[in-house]
Amino acid sequence: KNQVEQSPQSLIILEGKNCTLQCNYTVSPFSNLRWYKQDTGRGPVSLTIMTFSENTKSNRRYTATLDADTKQSSLHITASQLSDSASYICVVSVGFPYDKVIFGPGTSLSVIP
Amino acid sequence: EAQVTQNPRYLITVTGKKLTVTCSQNMNHEYMSWYRQDPGLGLRQIYYSMNVEVTDKGDVPEGYKVSRKEKRNFPLILESPSPNQTSLYFCASSPPGGQGGNQPQHFGDGTRLSIL
Repeated sequence: KNQVEQSPQSLIILEGKNCTLQCNYTVSPFSNLRWYKQDTGRGPVSLTIMTFSENTKSNRRYTATLDADTKQSSLHITASQLSDSASYICVVSVGFPYDKVIFGPGTSLSVIP
Repeated sequence: EAQVTQNPRYLITVTGKKLTVTCSQNMNHEYMSWYRQDPGLGLRQIYYSMNVEVTDKGDVPEGYKVSRKEKRNFPLILESPSPNQTSLYFCASSPPGGQGGNQPQHFGDGTRLSIL
């Protein structure tokens, strides 16, 4: 069964600290993995995308990693800011012939002063 | 500004009263989709459309209808809403490839429906 799991479910960190969010998936065939950020009251916005051959991808203070062998991804946030408070959603694409995406349940991050 | 616009943003209604949630995008995207988001669950796809007059069921289509008469609009229709359709709904659009994740989907800001 195609499935995406994320941990932790929620996280509270102090402003300026780093954190890492985890994503485990059982999807076949794997096509790509994308991280979205969802601010409260808004729709998700794409942060990064990685294909099978990519191990790491950065977008400003966000760095995503992918281990296709263990089927795990992480999103590392450096020097967190209050504006990083949001839900972070891992989305895995199932390749041909299914051509669909599976959304994880998200990790809710709260950055406090 | 490139955007996906949903209306209404909030709606409280009663069981059985037909309602329509509108979705419009100004990016000339071929692909559009409706999702529902419930606590503890990932976004689940209701219906999607690969282009005008082409629609197909997602993972949770029961109780919903859609139409795609124009490229920019993709309304979601609840003919006879029930309490289990209380949820947060998102419309999304993308260029071709969005269904398979090869293109990022652009999401509206959501519609919170409460069915009493």
